[in-house]
Amino acid sequence: NAGVTQTPKFRILKIGQSMTLQCTQDMNHNYMYWYRQDPGMGLKLIYYSVGAGITDKGEVPNGYNVSRSTTEDFPLRLELAAPSQTSVYFCASSYSRGPGQGGYEQYFGPGTRLTVT
Amino acid sequence: AQSVSQHNHHVILSEAASLELGCNYSYGGTVNLFWYVQYPGQHLQLLLKYFSGDPLVKGIKGFEAEFIKSKFSFNLRKPSVQWSDTAEYFCAVNAEYGNKLVFGAGTILRVKS
Repeated sequence: NAGVTQTPKFRILKIGQSMTLQCTQDMNHNYMYWYRQDPGMGLKLIYYSVGAGITDKGEVPNGYNVSRSTTEDFPLRLELAAPSQTSVYFCASSYSRGPGQGGYEQYFGPGTRLTVT
Repeated sequence: AQSVSQHNHHVILSEAASLELGCNYSYGGTVNLFWYVQYPGQHLQLLLKYFSGDPLVKGIKGFEAEFIKSKFSFNLRKPSVQWSDTAEYFCAVNAEYGNKLVFGAGTILRVKS
């Protein structure tokens, strides 16, 4: 299994540009997540999905959008890039049996380092 | 809302020294607790986890953590660190629908050889 894969690894965007960060997992996990990591701040949840067709906002969703049309893929869209979105983005996945049945660890991808100038 | 506090942002130790990284969380119900490690330039990897049962949990690479419910703590320990333990360590708590994790700010550990 490749686990969780992310593309691209690095990207530089100009202010106002758009891009999609790709995330794919091959572990048949039902839950998927997007985080951003900023120095000294830990990881903050942007969006998550509990299954295909179901997404919900995390702690810091502004400026981002997601979709989940398949179990495997969970792309993150930046519509109008801003310098505040300069960060490292991690995708993760986990398996859960359902509400209240959480507890399975999350598996992380290698990250995408995004710079907006 | 849940929160996770990690007591030290930077820790510098010499090889063979003992390590204890503090983690406290704010949530009164049932929790699942995790420690993740991020080696330089790499993604997060699970060190250990607590779901239920024995509050002393052993993980990979000689790490262990103790869940103390009365103190809302889940401190990470290692008796003797190695240079290769240089990394950033994150404590995380899961207690909500969606299996969402709340992370602490991280502790950067540097081990001097």
